[in-house]
Amino acid sequence: QVQLQQSGPGLVKPSQTLSLTCAISGDTVSSNSAAWNWIRQSPSRGLEWVGRTYYRSKWYNDYAVSVKSRIIINPDTSKNQFSLKLSSVTPEDTAVYYCARGTGDVGFDYWGQGTLVTVSS
Amino acid sequence: QSVLTQPPSASGTPGQRVTISCSGSSSNIAVYWYQHLPGTAPKLLIYRNNQRPSGVPDRFSGSKSGTSASLAISGLRSEDEADYYCATWYDSLSGWVFGGGTKLTVL
Repeated sequence: QVQLQQSGPGLVKPSQTLSLTCAISGDTVSSNSAAWNWIRQSPSRGLEWVGRTYYRSKWYNDYAVSVKSRIIINPDTSKNQFSLKLSSVTPEDTAVYYCARGTGDVGFDYWGQGTLVTVSS
Repeated sequence: QSVLTQPPSASGTPGQRVTISCSGSSSNIAVYWYQHLPGTAPKLLIYRNNQRPSGVPDRFSGSKSGTSASLAISGLRSEDEADYYCATWYDSLSGWVFGGGTKLTVL
């Protein structure tokens, strides 16, 4: 059974960097058949995919256009986890952030528990 | 404003059948459906237009015709009250896109 456990601060000041980590059990971050995603949810924007990392003989990343200039998603094979860093945050980045596994054409089949991140001074 | 358009709300009474539409996907691209209950992680309901993951009741069904997809829920129950999102992969964006979500109310 795949489990995703998120960690990271729930409060970030404007202009600073939001950092979250998602620890994986039951699968590996370097799987050749999975992609590791970050998705956020806010009342005003609903669900919004923000990016992913995946391994297919080498590492790849895809990022949403809306955050492309500010986002980095990194795998950590030594700890079997992946992380999200979103820089220069504004109150618009306030949301519940989820990590999720994407598998082939099955979609997002396993999700983390979610982390409410509030951007406020 | 998402490229996938869903009605903002839908409603039905217990036992009824309701459908939620999602328009704007390419005709040759699969659509996925997720159920989101407040305070919980979203749950995959339908993948590849009409496939149900194990554990999802057969009251939930998906279909797609051309650029429009639908989620149908039959035998509506109070616990089905949730937000429902469609999603698809856009090659042109190299990313996933979600619809705006439909809030289902069970009257």
